[in-house]
Amino acid sequence: IAGITQAPTSQILAAGRRMTLRCTQDMRHNAMYWYRQDLGLGLRLIHYSNTAGTTGKGEVPDGYSVSRANTDDFPLTLASAVPSQTSVYFCASSDGSGDGTDTQYFGPGTRLTVL
Amino acid sequence: GQNIDQPTEMTATEGAIVQINCTYQTSGFNGLFWYQQHAGEAPTFLSYNVLDGLEEKGRFSSFLSRSKGYSYLLLKELQMKDSASYLCAVTDSNYQLIWGAGTKLIIKP
Repeated sequence: IAGITQAPTSQILAAGRRMTLRCTQDMRHNAMYWYRQDLGLGLRLIHYSNTAGTTGKGEVPDGYSVSRANTDDFPLTLASAVPSQTSVYFCASSDGSGDGTDTQYFGPGTRLTVL
Repeated sequence: GQNIDQPTEMTATEGAIVQINCTYQTSGFNGLFWYQQHAGEAPTFLSYNVLDGLEEKGRFSSFLSRSKGYSYLLLKELQMKDSASYLCAVTDSNYQLIWGAGTKLIIKP
């Protein structure tokens, strides 16, 4: 079934630990995105990639890094997790240049708790 | 600054009509999206408006007035499954997508 998968579904993490959230899409979309969603706030863009081999910073990039080695995968890494990174993380992709006018398709999300 | 305003929560009755408003103040405008998000799930695309006017898609319609910085999502013949959050998002002049906090819609029998 075409779409976006994320792993893990949920995770409890000790502060200071390193964590990589995985995201894979099989729609051959050029652009991919990582968002965090916190209660009472809109989705906030962490990092994005308009095409394989390129990445960019979003609204809240500090403490996170990404890579885009190929079209399908876009992992998000927390180098040293802090409690303020407790959130639901969504990966998304779009078939276009990633210029903000494309419809985005979201993965099921990863619920991360940092203690 | 850039801002998207939506009501936090709305309640409506099954079978009725509800209008969810979204006002925006952004640096430029290149389109407005509505997404639906059921609790614990991912957002899914509902509609996209770039020109003024009403776009109808089955029970859902979306309206845009660029001069007023205003949009609404109209849901007709409400069903219990329409209970969800509805997210408004605007593409600004830098082609960045700015998201509102969402409106939680509660449908009562």
